[in-house]
Amino acid sequence: EAQVTQNPRYLITVTGKKLTVTCSQNMNHEYMSWYRQDPGLGLRQIYYSMNVEVTDKGDVPEGYKVSRKEKRNFPLILESPSPNQTSLYFCASSFNGRNEQFFGPGTRLTVL
Amino acid sequence: DAKTTQPTSMDCAEGRAANLPCNHSTISGNEYVYWYRQIHSQGPQYIIHGLKNNETNEMASLIITEDRKSSTLILPHATLRDTAVYYCIVRVLNSGGSNYKLTFGKGTLLTVNP
Repeated sequence: EAQVTQNPRYLITVTGKKLTVTCSQNMNHEYMSWYRQDPGLGLRQIYYSMNVEVTDKGDVPEGYKVSRKEKRNFPLILESPSPNQTSLYFCASSFNGRNEQFFGPGTRLTVL
Repeated sequence: DAKTTQPTSMDCAEGRAANLPCNHSTISGNEYVYWYRQIHSQGPQYIIHGLKNNETNEMASLIITEDRKSSTLILPHATLRDTAVYYCIVRVLNSGGSNYKLTFGKGTLLTVNP
């Protein structure tokens, strides 16, 4: 089944403890992207990747890192999480970004 | 990307057609209209997209006015599972190798009632 998977789905952590949210797609998509969703602010793009080893900042990249060493994986790294990064995170992928984008199920992160 | 305006909420009876409007009066010639929906905190789901011709797929129909300043998403026979926030997004199809970001607004909360 074609899908985008994210892990973990839920995470509660403390300020400053490094964490990684994984994203994987099995559709051989070139384009991948991370969004965060907050009440009243909608979905905002954090980082995106056009292909392997090609990543760039979205609208709200501060406090996040990403890597794209393999086509299928696009992990989101929070080196020193802070409470303002408490949010619902979505990974998305697309063959070339032009047509439909497939979203993962989301990761609900709480930083205490 | 052009800004879109959608009603905050709409209701629809189960089994009836749901018609969701979207205004995009500043749309430019190379911008497409995309529709996504999000069922309570799940990942957004692609529905349909189009440029100027009406489009139909297994999920919905998209009607774009001749001047392209507005469009309507039609769910022909709404079910309870169609209750979701529906987002109308206007974006260029090919951004020349740059970001294919989707800019989500507030969308329309469609509630399908039994």
